[in-house]
Amino acid sequence: EPEVTQTPSHQVTQMGQEVILRCVPISNHLYFYWYRQILGQKVEFLVSFYNNEISEKSEIFDDQFSVERPDGSNFTLKIRSTKLEDSAMYFCASTGQGRTEAFFGQGTRLTVV
Amino acid sequence: RKEVEQDPGPFNVPEGATVAFNCTYSNSASQSFFWYRQDCRKEPKLLMSVYSSGNEDGRFTAQLNRASQYISLLIRDSKLSDSATYLCVVSGGGGNKLTFGTGTQLKVEL
Repeated sequence: EPEVTQTPSHQVTQMGQEVILRCVPISNHLYFYWYRQILGQKVEFLVSFYNNEISEKSEIFDDQFSVERPDGSNFTLKIRSTKLEDSAMYFCASTGQGRTEAFFGQGTRLTVV
Repeated sequence: RKEVEQDPGPFNVPEGATVAFNCTYSNSASQSFFWYRQDCRKEPKLLMSVYSSGNEDGRFTAQLNRASQYISLLIRDSKLSDSATYLCVVSGGGGNKLTFGTGTQLKVEL
């Protein structure tokens, strides 16, 4: 069964450092998303990406965040200067053409110290 | 008002019991509705989509009431493996982004 894969599974970084979280969406999917979940809280939308550009972003997705699809398979989330409050589980998701069901990767647990 | 509201639980039920979860959403323009399941520290996994006509998948039945902006999930003959957090999720009303409820925790006990 096709799946969304994310690397790394866990990333520890110092405050102020840049991190890049990587995702490989399901191969024939066209819409890509990043969500985050702070421990004990609900899953929150960060950004959606379609046709090589951001289609929607939330208030959380400020200038510190950026996304990129550098090649035909990877989809990355970059946080330029991490803050303690960026510590969370980050999930990548993708959906196919004409579908709304999203499939999630296993997540990257980001810990900022 | 929260965009998607759920009772956080926990619901502690014996194996074999029937349990129902409810959810309300605030955006009347929402177009798609789902139940996801999330195990501790894992990713959300799609359980089922929810349609106005209601739909059933084995022991799971979902209902949508657009007029009341209300979604429900019924689990029959609960199994120990059903223990998880059940997330009510809506999308539409502007893009495909998903809006999650905080989830309802279910614990099925022997």
